[in-house]
Amino acid sequence: NAGVMQNPRHLVRRRGQEARLRCSPMKGHSHVYWYRQLPEEGLKFMVYLQKENIIDESGMPKERFSAEFPKEGPSILRIQQVVRGDSAAYFCASSQSSFYEQYFGPGTRLTVT
Amino acid sequence: GENVEQHPSTLSVQEGDSAVIKCTYSDSASNYFPWYKQELGKGPQLIIDIRSNVGEKKDQRIAVTLNKTAKHFSLHITETQPEDSAVYFCAASIGQGGKLIFGQGTELSVKP
Repeated sequence: NAGVMQNPRHLVRRRGQEARLRCSPMKGHSHVYWYRQLPEEGLKFMVYLQKENIIDESGMPKERFSAEFPKEGPSILRIQQVVRGDSAAYFCASSQSSFYEQYFGPGTRLTVT
Repeated sequence: GENVEQHPSTLSVQEGDSAVIKCTYSDSASNYFPWYKQELGKGPQLIIDIRSNVGEKKDQRIAVTLNKTAKHFSLHITETQPEDSAVYFCAASIGQGGKLIFGQGTELSVKP
């Protein structure tokens, strides 16, 4: 009974490069949430997706960030032209629906040099 | 928008003592309140949650209470053990939409 899977666990990018973070939800879950955790801070909501749909992207920066959850395959959080301020831990969570518990993955720690 | 305040930011207790962490929320429409435990280098782990139609919920050494009138909820850990040491986050959510608004976290240290 695999939990939420994220890869890579650690990602190093130079300023200006692109970062792609992947999230595979728990079996039977069709709702995915992305959160960002800056050093020494709490978790901040970024985006909520269902298969092929973005439901709520109110926490997503307007530029450089995008997310998708295709019909087949994992959810992808994409950061273009990364800057040092993007260095953080990115977590995804999955649930059966918006009314159910959210279970988190181990996170991807992005470091921008 | 919705805001969640969490106190204290750090808490140190002796093994066997109780620990209490408190959170307040701003949006009266919030109806779901989970608590997460995060160990160093790991993702948050759901430990207990409560919905707005319930005032208290208990699971072994962990309990959560909710006061909707005052808009605050608390986590109680009894008979603390060193393995309870971690950062604990409270969160609030408005049912439909599901996004969680997190508190700032409490670093709990249980000294043997």
